[in-house]
Amino acid sequence: QQQVKQSPQSLIVQKGGISIINCAYENTAFDYFPWYQQFPGKGPALLIAIRPDVSEKKEGRFTISFNKSAKQFSLHIMDSQPGDSATYFCAARVYNFNKFYFGSGTKLNVKP
Amino acid sequence: GAGVSQTPSNKVTEKGKYVELRCDPISGHTALYWYRQSLGQGPEFLIYFQGTGAADDSGLPNDRFFAVRPEGSVSTLKIQRTERGDSAVYLCASSFNGGANTGELFFGEGSRLTVL
Repeated sequence: QQQVKQSPQSLIVQKGGISIINCAYENTAFDYFPWYQQFPGKGPALLIAIRPDVSEKKEGRFTISFNKSAKQFSLHIMDSQPGDSATYFCAARVYNFNKFYFGSGTKLNVKP
Repeated sequence: GAGVSQTPSNKVTEKGKYVELRCDPISGHTALYWYRQSLGQGPEFLIYFQGTGAADDSGLPNDRFFAVRPEGSVSTLKIQRTERGDSAVYLCASSFNGGANTGELFFGEGSRLTVL
């Protein structure tokens, strides 16, 4: 059973557009929700993260929106750039266990 | 180097052979994780070390998989009697303290294992 469900599987956006990736979870024991960015041949790297006591976190062009009651969170990339083309993974951590569950990934292609 | 280092970067082996994958975490990071990433999928948890001990090995798929971290730094993932289904990228990650007040995983570039 997949603990974190991510959609869409792939996404094509024009340069300057908004990229939106969604994730959903069921386990209420999750206490930390990071997003990771992965380029081909590289390991995932932390992009931005949020805790469930806030509904939104913004860092530059990247924003996480968090809906605790719906158990959903999403990544918004504003003014998307070709350099943002990568695979994005949402993740969730079980409180006090430090075990991270990852979504299946979204391959983003930003066209110039 | 400053990051997580994994060797080998690529390993091709034959079915039934034994394989060792090594991870050198960031200096000072007490928590170390092994994940497996199949093509087009997200990382799948295998095992988590806090110091020298395996705090959670519930993700190891079967007893052919074993991991050690004898001195609390470098870790080795060992796979016996490899099968074609073991082919994947094995990612290692480390984090400082691994406590509830941190959470950032620093990943290596992975070891790509191909079992023929």
